[in-house]
Amino acid sequence: GAVVSQHPSRVICKSGTSVKIECRSLDFQATTMFWYRQFPKQSLMLMATSNEGSKATYEQGVEKDKFLINHASLTLSTLTVTSAHPEDSSFYICSARVRNPENYGYTFGSGTRLTVV
Amino acid sequence: AQSVTQLDSQVPVFEEAPVELRCNYSSSVSVYLFWYVQYPNQGLQLLLKYLSGSTLVKGINGFEAEFNKSQTSFHLRKPSVHISDTAEYFCAVSPQSNRDDKIIFGKGTRLHILP
Repeated sequence: GAVVSQHPSRVICKSGTSVKIECRSLDFQATTMFWYRQFPKQSLMLMATSNEGSKATYEQGVEKDKFLINHASLTLSTLTVTSAHPEDSSFYICSARVRNPENYGYTFGSGTRLTVV
Repeated sequence: AQSVTQLDSQVPVFEEAPVELRCNYSSSVSVYLFWYVQYPNQGLQLLLKYLSGSTLVKGINGFEAEFNKSQTSFHLRKPSVHISDTAEYFCAVSPQSNRDDKIIFGKGTRLHILP
């Protein structure tokens, strides 16, 4: 239980275009999702916290106009990288907190490898 | 605020040998503790977690960890590693609260299994 499905797993886009990444909680309701970025051989860097029905909370230094987050329902959060540039190429991972006592903790999506050419 | 320190960025170990990956944390409040494993180009998979109760926690793939409150440590151990254990391992903490607080990660330890 407590699975987060993230799509796409890989995407290649041209510089200047926008890319949308989806994360769905399959068997539980996620009022909050977390979006991370991971550079090669580094830890996860929290970008923003996505709250259902309200605006996302961005970490310091993360451009909210560039990384648009929408959390329209209790099971879906999306991250849109707008006007992508090569420096946006990275591995993006979403996560949700699970409050079910049997699975309490944080569950992660499988990640999206974004390459901007 | 919380912080997590993983003392070793890389740990080489021979196949079938034991391994310990170290993790220390600091926090002004009580925390939950986690170990995650990440294989290349994949998300994070939970190995084990400490929420309460017994301080020795057993997880998947033969891993275990011991919570030591006095030393603020949560070291991960496996008595005999396999080549398939080659991966990045992350220790993490989150505050014990009802709010949706973020989880704090260490910088990770790369486990390199030598044949």
